[in-house]
Amino acid sequence: GAGVSQSPRYKVAKRGQDVALRCDPISGHVSLFWYQQALGQGPEFLTYFQNEAQLDKSGLPSDRFFAERPEGSVSTLKIQRTQQEDSAVYLCASSPREWSTEAFFGQGTRLTVV
Amino acid sequence: AQSVTQPDIHITVSEGASLELRCNYSYGATPYLFWYVQSPGQGLQLLLKYFSGDTLVQGIKGFEAEFKRSQSSFNLRKPSVHWSDAAEYFCAVVGFNAGNNRKLIWGLGTSLAVNP
Repeated sequence: GAGVSQSPRYKVAKRGQDVALRCDPISGHVSLFWYQQALGQGPEFLTYFQNEAQLDKSGLPSDRFFAERPEGSVSTLKIQRTQQEDSAVYLCASSPREWSTEAFFGQGTRLTVV
Repeated sequence: AQSVTQPDIHITVSEGASLELRCNYSYGATPYLFWYVQSPGQGLQLLLKYFSGDTLVQGIKGFEAEFKRSQSSFNLRKPSVHWSDAAEYFCAVVGFNAGNNRKLIWGLGTSLAVNP
């Protein structure tokens, strides 16, 4: 596609429910980042993939958060047993170069946990 | 540790007026600096970046920013603001975690409102 696509755009989950957020990066992009952006805050780094390898997951807030990119293209961020503090916009970004932080962002998925 | 401070949470300017958004960073070496804009319902879009060289960098949509090492600043400017510039603006610096992996460290953002 022409840009980074994220789905769904909006997700409402009941506390304790599992959710899966999808990111379709720009075709051929090596690097893929996930960020969490709470209301009124800047994005916070969650995890980084280089092709299918998850090279940095230091930003994942707990073991309830899990990300994968099995074929080096589409990525899924999964949150298990969601809690209210997980409510945020989850941003995905991709880049054509390794480790490049000069990335193209998707529109994000707004997760609301009720 | 690397950090970014955007002192102004919210700024309102009149259309046609000049704009300066402040950004201060904390970083030991020469930083890699970015400004992004986030419009309602849109993804973050890169306005401009500084890696090295000329300290005055030009970006898209008529924006520019100046890197001042002595002040640890990277302020964003525009000579004449348009109503469509109303958005959230984020300054970011490349940081490294304990594993020496590269990532962006973001400021809290400045919300810009433009009066007609």
